[in-house]
Amino acid sequence: QKEVEQNSGPLSVPEGAIASLNCTYSDRGSQSFFWYRQYSGKSPELIMSIYSNGDKEDGRFTAQLNKASQYVSLLIRDSQPSDSATYLCAVSTASKLTFGTGTRLQVTL
Amino acid sequence: KAGVTQTPRYLIKTRGQQVTLSCSPISGHRSVSWYQQTPGQGLQFLFEYFSETQRNKGNFPGRFSGRQFSNSRSEMNVSTLELGDSALYLCASSWDSNTGELFFGEGSRLTVL
Repeated sequence: QKEVEQNSGPLSVPEGAIASLNCTYSDRGSQSFFWYRQYSGKSPELIMSIYSNGDKEDGRFTAQLNKASQYVSLLIRDSQPSDSATYLCAVSTASKLTFGTGTRLQVTL
Repeated sequence: KAGVTQTPRYLIKTRGQQVTLSCSPISGHRSVSWYQQTPGQGLQFLFEYFSETQRNKGNFPGRFSGRQFSNSRSEMNVSTLELGDSALYLCASSWDSNTGELFFGEGSRLTVL
C-alpha cells in the first residue's frame, strides 16, 4: 500500500463546476496535510494546508480532512481553465513529507 | 525576494558518470530538501538538510548524496549514473521542513544516455 494515494486522472470538469480531488494516506500518525499545484513544466507550489479535522476554506479552494478515515480532499469551486494542472497531496509524518503521485485536472470550456 | 535557484537547469550525462546539482534556497531559509520526480513514481524524497546536518533521508541508494554549506546552499551528487536516474531533480527550501510549507526551485532535468 502506498503511503499517499491519489487517483491519477485525468479528472475533467466543465468551467464553472466544482472539482473534487481526493487523497488517502496510510499512517495514522500523520499530522499535517497539504495540497500543491503543479502546472505542466513547472515546479509544485503550495496552495492549501490543513492540520485538524473539518474544512478549511481559502477563496475558491476548500480543503477537507477526516483523520478517522485517513482521507483528505480538495474542492475547487467555480473551476477555471487556469486551474488545469496536477494537484499533489502531501502528508507530513515524523518530519518527513510524502507526496502522492498527483491528480491531473482538466477544466474544459 | 529571490526564489529558490537551481543549477544547472538541464544536463545530459552518460552511464557511469557522476553529476553534481546545486541549490540556493530563499534567503533566511535553513532547510533544503531534495526530490526526484519521474512520470511513473511522482515526487520521491531524497534527503533534507537543516543547518548543515542531514535530518532525513529517503530510500535511495548510497550513490545519491548531498551536503549543505554554512550559507544554506546545498548540493546533491549522483555517482555512477544509471539510465533510471533520468529525472527532474527538485530542490525545496523552507524555514523548517517540519511545517510542510516548501518552496520549490524550477528543477534540474537530468538525462542519462
